[in-house]
Amino acid sequence: NAGVMQNPRHLVRRRGQEARLRCSPMKGHSHVYWYRQLPEEGLKFMVYLQKENIIDESGMPKERFSAEFPKEGPSILRIQQVVRGDSAAYFCASSQGQGKETQYFGPGTRLLVL
Amino acid sequence: GDSVTQMEGPVTLSEEAFLTINCTYTATGYPSLFWYVQYPGEGLQLLLKATKADDKGSNKGFEATYRKETTSFHLEKGSVQVSDSAVYFCALSDRSGGFKTIFGAGTRLFVKA
Repeated sequence: NAGVMQNPRHLVRRRGQEARLRCSPMKGHSHVYWYRQLPEEGLKFMVYLQKENIIDESGMPKERFSAEFPKEGPSILRIQQVVRGDSAAYFCASSQGQGKETQYFGPGTRLLVL
Repeated sequence: GDSVTQMEGPVTLSEEAFLTINCTYTATGYPSLFWYVQYPGEGLQLLLKATKADDKGSNKGFEATYRKETTSFHLEKGSVQVSDSAVYFCALSDRSGGFKTIFGAGTRLFVKA
């Protein structure tokens, strides 16, 4: 049973470009969470999605960031017009259901903005 | 809102020493508590969890007990190994927080041979 998969593992973008990060949850999991980890810091919640719905986006910056989890395919975190401050590791987690369900994390995408 | 506070690192120990990493939490409901471990360049791995008061989570020689009276979930291991060197994150998940996981800042552990 494959775990949570994220790609790419490393992404380099120049300022002003778009970054698109993908996350495939574990088989049977319909809940996806995105977190951001700045260097030497803990993880900060960004957004919680179920299939075709955004449940909680309270941690998402108001501009340039968006997320989706379509009926078919992976969840996508999209960052438009990237700036140097967007450089971080972005982790996706999935869980089977709502409640006190354990979240399982992917290996992360490390974004570097030049 | 919910929050997690854990001891600052880095923590440096010799092999076979006893490890304690303190973690306390604030939550309005009855959260589940977790310890995650992150090895260099990797994602987070669930180390152990506890879902209600007085539960003890354990895995790979690590253990932590959910203490509601002190709102704590301290991580302990009796004898650390070099391979335990990593960053350890205490975390909680709570219905009132919308089920998102709230993480502490992490504690980096170095174990010397």
